[in-house]
Amino acid sequence: DVKVTQSSRYLVKRTGEKVFLECVQDMDHENMFWYRQDPGLGLRLIYFSYDVKMKEKGDIPEGYSVSREKKERFSLILESASTNQTSMYLCASSLWGLSSYEQYFGPGTRLTVT
Amino acid sequence: SQQGEEDPQALSIQEGENATMNCSYKTSINNLQWYRQNSGRGLVHLILIRSNEREKHSGRLRVTLDTSKKSSSLLITASRAADTASYFCATDGGANAGKSTFGDGTTLTVKP
Repeated sequence: DVKVTQSSRYLVKRTGEKVFLECVQDMDHENMFWYRQDPGLGLRLIYFSYDVKMKEKGDIPEGYSVSREKKERFSLILESASTNQTSMYLCASSLWGLSSYEQYFGPGTRLTVT
Repeated sequence: SQQGEEDPQALSIQEGENATMNCSYKTSINNLQWYRQNSGRGLVHLILIRSNEREKHSGRLRVTLDTSKKSSSLLITASRAADTASYFCATDGGANAGKSTFGDGTTLTVKP
């Protein structure tokens, strides 16, 4: 069974803090994704990585950065957390291909920035 | 940018009834996927339909795709209370290999 794990289910941080969200997958998938999910806005892609050290901006990359030093691990970094980054963060992984494949999601991290 | 849009936003039915959700999209696709999300959890993949397919079945799920109308539907037959969840369609953007764009979802409530 594919497993995608995220470092925390719930996280509370203060404004201005640097925040690291970690995601690990165990299926040797090339693609990894970070989304945020907000009520009424659906899932929005923050960043996408198709290989180690490779990344692409998604629809809403501002205020975020990512790191992929190993194939199985994809980290999302909030350089200076702000209250408008309070959200549910979802990580996913999939095979690479010319079209999209099934994405496997982690359980999500609910981040609150106060 | 949101490619897929689900309709209706919310649907409430009795156990045993069928539930139909629709998804419309704007640009050409290679495939379209449907996902399910239980409250506060990650998404789970349900079914993938390719652009050259018109219909696909998986258990009580039936998905149709009409590329001329740029729309898809998800039918859940003989619904159960456990089907209560949000359902999302996801479309790939043709040239955007590997990436999918998710709609806002349909929230389905199945009353026992």
